[in-house]
Amino acid sequence: ETGVTQTPRHLVMGMTNKKSLKCEQHLGHNAMYWYKQSAKKPLELMFVYNFKEQTENNSVPSRFSPECPNSSHLFLHLHTLQPEDSALYLCASLDRVSEKLFFGSGTQLSVL
Amino acid sequence: DAKTTQPPSMDCAEGRAANLPCNHSTISGNEYVYWYRQIHSQGPQYIIHGLKNNETNEMASLIITEDRKSSTLILPHATLRDTAVYYCIARGSSYKLIFGSGTRLLVRP
Repeated sequence: ETGVTQTPRHLVMGMTNKKSLKCEQHLGHNAMYWYKQSAKKPLELMFVYNFKEQTENNSVPSRFSPECPNSSHLFLHLHTLQPEDSALYLCASLDRVSEKLFFGSGTQLSVL
Repeated sequence: DAKTTQPPSMDCAEGRAANLPCNHSTISGNEYVYWYRQIHSQGPQYIIHGLKNNETNEMASLIITEDRKSSTLILPHATLRDTAVYYCIARGSSYKLIFGSGTRLLVRP
């Protein structure tokens, strides 16, 4: 248990659906990350938020829309996804003191 | 951030030391070497990191060569639960961790 909680753990959605992934941490961290991991591929950094401000967008398609309402919560809003977007979506938060990233268990997303 | 190179797979016997190499020949002076591992379909787990000196914690030891062009992660007494993908990452000042393909370690009974 890392203290970073992601919900839901599994999600199946159609290409016309709108859904949201949620990430929550109460560790006092002020930087949060979204990563994507497609099957048998390395993790890809998607977005970084520092103090609620987006500081990194790694050329992510606009059908993925992140939101960081406060330093403890991070969302990834999904709409009109494609089957190739099926992947494990991982959230992480940064402890600047120890310089460690703490990862959640991820949301396994399937787009039909 | 510097590119790292790791063997795609390794194996070791349970109870023996697992020595996982990483090459980072273009690493710059301010880049740290980080190791994470990922057990199947879970989030990556921090193991250890260092800059120049060797480091040890309750999970592992990190040996960095004097020229900093390579490093070795040592799991002193591997168990079956250590079977995972191990990632070696060079991190600069930006706190962005860029993951490569890692080394798939199989610990044999």
